[in-house]
Amino acid sequence: DQQVKQNSPSLSVQEGRISILNCDYTNSMFDYFLWYKKYPAEGPTFLISISSIKDKNEDGRFTVFLNKSAKHLSLHIVPSQPGDSAVYFCAPISTGANSKLTFGKGITLSVRP
Amino acid sequence: DTGVSQDPRHKITKRGQNVTFRCDPISEHNRLYWYRQTLGQGPEFLTYFQNEAQLEKSRLLSDRFSAERPKGSFSTLEIQRTEQGDSAMYLCASSLGTSWHEQYFGPGTRLTVT
Repeated sequence: DQQVKQNSPSLSVQEGRISILNCDYTNSMFDYFLWYKKYPAEGPTFLISISSIKDKNEDGRFTVFLNKSAKHLSLHIVPSQPGDSAVYFCAPISTGANSKLTFGKGITLSVRP
Repeated sequence: DTGVSQDPRHKITKRGQNVTFRCDPISEHNRLYWYRQTLGQGPEFLTYFQNEAQLEKSRLLSDRFSAERPKGSFSTLEIQRTEQGDSAMYLCASSLGTSWHEQYFGPGTRLTVT
């Protein structure tokens, strides 16, 4: 049973445009949501997070939106840069139950110069 | 560099052999996690420690797997009698008690079982 779904395996955008990466989840116990970025041959790097009590969190070019009723979150990157090309993982966590991150399969983002 | 480090970065072994991986977390982090990532999948949780106590193990962690964190600092993950299905990237992460949900990952150890 896949609790975290990133249904689009890849996304290609032009440099300077907006990248929107989507994530859906099924477990209503998730109350904190993280995004990680991964380059080949490296471990995932923490990017941005959002608590379930918020619907938006912004950090520079990165904004995460959370729609709890729809169990959906999205990561917006604007403007997109070639260095953003990587695999992005959505990773929710249930802070009250345990501390394991539950990762989606990831989305490969390619930003074209 | 004060990030999470893992050793070795790559390991090739023959089926049936034992292997051991090491993880050194960020120094002040009291939580340490092990994850496994196979091709085309996201990382999957294996186990985690708070200080030296192993608090949770995934059902993915069969009896052939054992993890330790003897002094609450570095951790080792041992796989006995390796199988081809053990081939994966083994990732270690650590977090601080005050913001434990933000986990910081090491570069991983890529295991290939031939």
